[in-house]
Amino acid sequence: DAGVIQSPRHEVTEMGQEVTLRCKPISGHDYLFWYRQTMMRGLELLIYFNNNVPIDDSGMPEDRFSAKMPNASFSTLKIQPSEPRDSAVYFCASTLALTGTNYGYTFGSGTRLTVV
Amino acid sequence: QQQVKQSPQSLIVQKGGISIINCAYENTAFDYFPWYQQFPGKGPALLIAIRPDVSEKKEGRFTISFNKSAKQFSLHIMDSQPGDSATYFCAAIILTGGGNKLTFGTGTQLKVEL
Repeated sequence: DAGVIQSPRHEVTEMGQEVTLRCKPISGHDYLFWYRQTMMRGLELLIYFNNNVPIDDSGMPEDRFSAKMPNASFSTLKIQPSEPRDSAVYFCASTLALTGTNYGYTFGSGTRLTVV
Repeated sequence: QQQVKQSPQSLIVQKGGISIINCAYENTAFDYFPWYQQFPGKGPALLIAIRPDVSEKKEGRFTISFNKSAKQFSLHIMDSQPGDSATYFCAAIILTGGGNKLTFGTGTQLKVEL
């Protein structure tokens, strides 16, 4: 399995532009999570889906952020309009709901977003 | 609200030494405690995990110690190597009926020097 695939790896955009981040979870995983990582705030959960349905979006910072999961193999996180304070590394992670001792999320390599 | 507190923020250890990272949690409903390791430019990866009914779990050079009454757990890295230099996150989750949502600590940057 190729793991969780995120694109692009790096994104530089100008303030006010729309940014779309993409994620392909591991096949068969029924949970998908979007995280944001910054030095100041660490890893923040933005939103997560179960079976393509958004379950908890309380971490989405503002209405400028939106996320979709149209099918089990694809999710997007959109920022419109983007602002410099959105600069961060955005991670997607997926997992299968299990209660075993090896439970854990599989993270993608992240998208480093820079808004200038 | 910081439900999982992690310390120290950064740590420098000599090669061959023991690295110790501590975490404390508040929510007694947490029933699973994983540790993640993150290298620069990569996403966090599951390293080792423990359930609260076990006081210690060891995998190779990595050991989790768990103190349920104190609501604390720690990661010990024995014989630390330069390749262990990374950021380590503790985490906690309510597996049963908790929505599979991990709560992460703030991370510890470990540097192992030669």
